[in-house]
Amino acid sequence: DQQVKQNSPSLSVQEGRISILNCDYTNSMFDYFLWYKKYPAEGPTFLISISSIKDKNEDGRFTVFLNKSAKHLSLHIVPSQPGDSAVYFCAASGPGGTSYGKLTFGQGTILTVHP
Amino acid sequence: EAQVTQNPRYLITVTGKKLTVTCSQNMNHEYMSWYRQDPGLGLRQIYYSMNVEVTDKGDVPEGYKVSRKEKRNFPLILESPSPNQTSLYFCASTPLNQPQHFGDGTRLSIL
Repeated sequence: DQQVKQNSPSLSVQEGRISILNCDYTNSMFDYFLWYKKYPAEGPTFLISISSIKDKNEDGRFTVFLNKSAKHLSLHIVPSQPGDSAVYFCAASGPGGTSYGKLTFGQGTILTVHP
Repeated sequence: EAQVTQNPRYLITVTGKKLTVTCSQNMNHEYMSWYRQDPGLGLRQIYYSMNVEVTDKGDVPEGYKVSRKEKRNFPLILESPSPNQTSLYFCASTPLNQPQHFGDGTRLSIL
């Protein structure tokens, strides 16, 4: 039972354009959402997060949008750069935040940004 | 430098031979956890620990053991490894209410 789903295994975009990565969840108890980026041979690194009390959080080129009614979140990267090429994981946590509950991850989306 | 260190990074072994993957963090974080990454499944939590001597099961705990005798260490033990435990494993740590920091992973192959 995959509670967090990233339905696009891969995404290819041109440098300078927008990358949009999507994530859907089924558990309405999730109240904190995160995006991690992973390069080959390295562990995932935290990118950006959003609490369920917000619908948008921005950090430089990265913006996460949360639509609670649709149980959907998305990560926008503008403008995309070749160095953004990596696997992106969406993750969710239940009541209490990331340290008290389990982190449930999606399957990941491979982003390739072409020069 | 703040880091989560896993050892070994790579291991090929045989079914039934007990093994331990160590995880150590130098940030005095309370919370540590173990994940496995498999194609098409993302990362799934195996066990987590909220502090010394406090551990709990994640989503896929079968076949694994953990211990948390010291704050900095959280070893993952496979008492009798089987081929379905061939995977990429990540240890993570975090202070309270902060995103988790991950180690660089341990690739286990069990023949």
